[in-house]
Amino acid sequence: GQSLEQPSEVTAVEGAIVQMNCTYQTSGFYGLSWYQQHDGGAPTFLSYNALDGLEETGRFSSFLSRSDSYGYLLLQELQMKDSASYFCAVSNTDKLIFGTGTRLQVFP
Amino acid sequence: NAGVTQTPKFRILKIGQSMTLQCTQDMNHNYMYWYRQDPGMGLKLIYYSVGAGITDKGEVPNGYNVSRSTTEDFPLRLELAAPSQTSVYFCASSYSPDRERHFGDGTRLSIL
Repeated sequence: GQSLEQPSEVTAVEGAIVQMNCTYQTSGFYGLSWYQQHDGGAPTFLSYNALDGLEETGRFSSFLSRSDSYGYLLLQELQMKDSASYFCAVSNTDKLIFGTGTRLQVFP
Repeated sequence: NAGVTQTPKFRILKIGQSMTLQCTQDMNHNYMYWYRQDPGMGLKLIYYSVGAGITDKGEVPNGYNVSRSTTEDFPLRLELAAPSQTSVYFCASSYSPDRERHFGDGTRLSIL
């Protein structure tokens, strides 16, 4: 079977740095993706890691350790607009399986 | 560039009714997907397609059917609506299975 675990909620203040973790169990693994979803909106793609290490895109960084079946999304210089749900997702052959998501609340 | 377009945006059905959720994409992507998202939860894969004429079941296919006669269109059919199918349905497409999914805006479906 496949499973992904994420903390349900994280809170932080504007300007801070926050890390959201994801652990997974899956048979067959291509890579780990991260998606952002604002309330009432559609998921939007943030990053993809196929190999171990850190990928950086502006204020967002994503890390993968295949040996530990673990990844995280790092958000720097938090802004109010970053308040949203963040989902990790595992690519498994033709499928993309999502975790239950971490809800990030950013306070002034 | 429209991307992935879903219709309708909202719908209320009675138990036992049937309906088709429409999804079309203009990016010439071979891979298309249907997900459902219950409140406060992640997305569950219902069905997916790797190209015209080819479909396969995802995690939660029961109560749904799909077809893929063209590259652009991937409709989802509910034959006998049940309250458990109340959810938000998202269609997505991608160039390949290891690339980003492009999502439509979703269809909010209530079954009463």
